Amino acid sequence: GNSVTQMEGPVTLSEEAFLTINCTYTATGYPSLFWYVQYPGEGLQLLLKATKADDKGSNKGFEATYRKETTSFHLEKGSVQVSDSAVYFCALSGIQGAQKLVFGQGTRLTINP
Amino acid sequence: NAGVTQTPKFQVLKTGQSMTLQCAQDMNHEYMSWYRQDPGMGLRLIHYSVGAGITDQGEVPNGYNVSRSTTEDFPLRLLSAAPSQTSVYFCASSYPKTGTSYNEQFFGPGTRLTVL
Repeated sequence: GNSVTQMEGPVTLSEEAFLTINCTYTATGYPSLFWYVQYPGEGLQLLLKATKADDKGSNKGFEATYRKETTSFHLEKGSVQVSDSAVYFCALSGIQGAQKLVFGQGTRLTINP
Repeated sequence: NAGVTQTPKFQVLKTGQSMTLQCAQDMNHEYMSWYRQDPGMGLRLIHYSVGAGITDQGEVPNGYNVSRSTTEDFPLRLLSAAPSQTSVYFCASSYPKTGTSYNEQFFGPGTRLTVL
């Protein structure tokens, strides 16, 4: 079946550090890939997405590239801020229903000033 | 627009009790779904609905019922609560395009449920 694996957390960085959160997936066909972010006490928000191989999603300084050859969708940001502290989820769209999402376990990110 | 709203925010139940988690959206979205979030496991799909009168099971449907009598509301019912249902529950909605295109899902703020 479809699955998503994220790097183990929690991740703690200093402000202005470079961020990478790894995400790999297993799926049949050609899923769409997403990163969602959950700020403390809130629901999930879509951060970025990519719908086909080699697409790059970007938003708020975050980027991720859909790599079919390595089945990966790593999240990166060049210079993190304290306000980026949140839980980040990698997800893919269900092949049998475009609206169904399969999530990774989430990575908690804390940025220290 | 209020977006996706959920009530209550917090709930404590005893084993065997029943309750309904409420979810409403004011965006005229056709697709609605319920997820549960457990530590180290991400979010898992419980039930979903592609429109009023139509519901289907997700990955972890056991112990939960849903119905969709209106476009706006999608309540989740726990029939006989068990400690294994202690979790944070999220409702989401979207307006699917035709075919298999993906539309962004909008999530509610969640309901934290504890079953003793």
